[in-house]
Amino acid sequence: TQLLEQSPQFLSIQEGENLTVYCNSSSVFSSLQWYRQEPGEGPVLLVTVVTGGEVKKLKRLTFQFGDARKDSSLHITAAQPGDTGLYLCAGAGGDNFNKFYFGSGTKLNVKP
Amino acid sequence: EAGVAQSPRYKIIEKRQSVAFWCNPISGHATLYWYQQILGQGPKLLIQFQNNGVVDDSQLPKDRFSAERLKGVDSTLKIQPAKLEDSAVYLCASSPRNIEAFFGQGTRLTVV
Repeated sequence: TQLLEQSPQFLSIQEGENLTVYCNSSSVFSSLQWYRQEPGEGPVLLVTVVTGGEVKKLKRLTFQFGDARKDSSLHITAAQPGDTGLYLCAGAGGDNFNKFYFGSGTKLNVKP
Repeated sequence: EAGVAQSPRYKIIEKRQSVAFWCNPISGHATLYWYQQILGQGPKLLIQFQNNGVVDDSQLPKDRFSAERLKGVDSTLKIQPAKLEDSAVYLCASSPRNIEAFFGQGTRLTVV
């Protein structure tokens, strides 16, 4: 069962374009993380959002947590080739100890 | 601060052989996770430790996989005997507060 659905699965754009990646669920999470993973490496944490409606900015990346804490989006402005990678969202939740449930990822390719 | 350390980085074995992976989490992190990531998919949780106790191993194929975290620090994950479908990247992560997880570089296992 995939608790978190990410869309799109693949995205290939030109340098300078904007893009948005979505992460949706029917479950409520106590927090949500976005990671970027490059080939042959482990996921690297980009941001954690914990409050419904929260917006965080990291240079050209803007992250938003839905009001109901069930969904999130990642917006990249003026994408660069260095943004290429697999973007993963992960929701934290559970009865006693938080587990992290991962989406299937969005593979982004930014062409120069 | 040192990150999560994993070894080996790569391993190739024949089916029915056994293999072990090692993980040293970030100092002071009580929670340790092992994930399996098949090419093109998001990570799937295999087992979660809180200190040296198991809090979730519901998705661990216990007929062939085992994991331990002696003394609540380092952890090992073992597969015996390996199958072709075990070919994947095995990721270890640790967390200080169960809000966000930090990953190692992973071990890429190829079973031939």
